[in-house]
Amino acid sequence: QEQLVESGGGLVRPGGSLRLSCAASGFTFSDYYIIWIRQAPGTGLEWVSHISGRNDYTNYADSVRGRFTISRDNAKNSLYLQMNSLRAEDTAVYYCARRGVNWYFDLWGRGTLVTVSS
Amino acid sequence: EVVMTQSPATLSVSPGERATLSCRASQSVSINLAWYQQKPGQAPRLLIYGASARASGIPARFSGSGSGTEFTLSISSLQSEDFAVYYCQQYHNWPPLTFGGGTKVEIK
Repeated sequence: QEQLVESGGGLVRPGGSLRLSCAASGFTFSDYYIIWIRQAPGTGLEWVSHISGRNDYTNYADSVRGRFTISRDNAKNSLYLQMNSLRAEDTAVYYCARRGVNWYFDLWGRGTLVTVSS
Repeated sequence: EVVMTQSPATLSVSPGERATLSCRASQSVSINLAWYQQKPGQAPRLLIYGASARASGIPARFSGSGSGTEFTLSISSLQSEDFAVYYCQQYHNWPPLTFGGGTKVEIK
C-alpha cells in the first residue's frame, strides 16, 4: 500500500527550529518529486517546497526561502524539512505529498502540526 | 502569481441533489487544473486533474470541466461521504503553485 507518513511536528518558540520527516512506503520513492504543503488553521493550502526524485533540484515559496531547507534520503525512503527561524505565521499542518504525472498531487500524508508560539 | 478564486465559499445541498462548484483563475491556466476533496482531520484527496480527468478510484459522479480561466467541479448526486471542503489548484504558471480558498459543501 502506497503511503506517506509525516512526523516531527510540535510546539516551538518563535525563532526556534524544527525538523519534519516524511516516510514513504509502497512505491519507488526515488522516482518521484515530493512536495511540502501546509495549511494554517482554518485556512487553505499553501505550497512550501519541493524536491526532485534525484535530489538535484529544489524550490521554495518566497515566504520560507532562506529559512527552510528540503532534503531527502532515497536509501531511507525519507523526506525532510529543516525549519529555522520559525515565526508565528509558520503555524500550520504540514503535509508531504507525491507529484503525479504533472504538478498535481496524487498521494498525501495525514500531516503533522507545527505550532509556533511563546 | 496566479490567484485562484472559488465560489461559493459554502454550498448547502441536500443528499441526492447535484452540486456545482466554481473555480476562476486570474490568468489562463489552460487545462492545468486539479481538484481535491478534504474532510475534517484528513489530508486532501486528488479527485480531478487536467481539468476533467478523474483520478484513480474516484466515482463517476464527480466530473470536472473548463479551460483557461473558468472551471467547474460537478457532483451529480451527493452522497453523505461527499460533504467536505473542495479545493482547486493550478499548475500551469508557477512557482508558486496556487490553490483556491476552498468551497465547503454542507448538508442542507
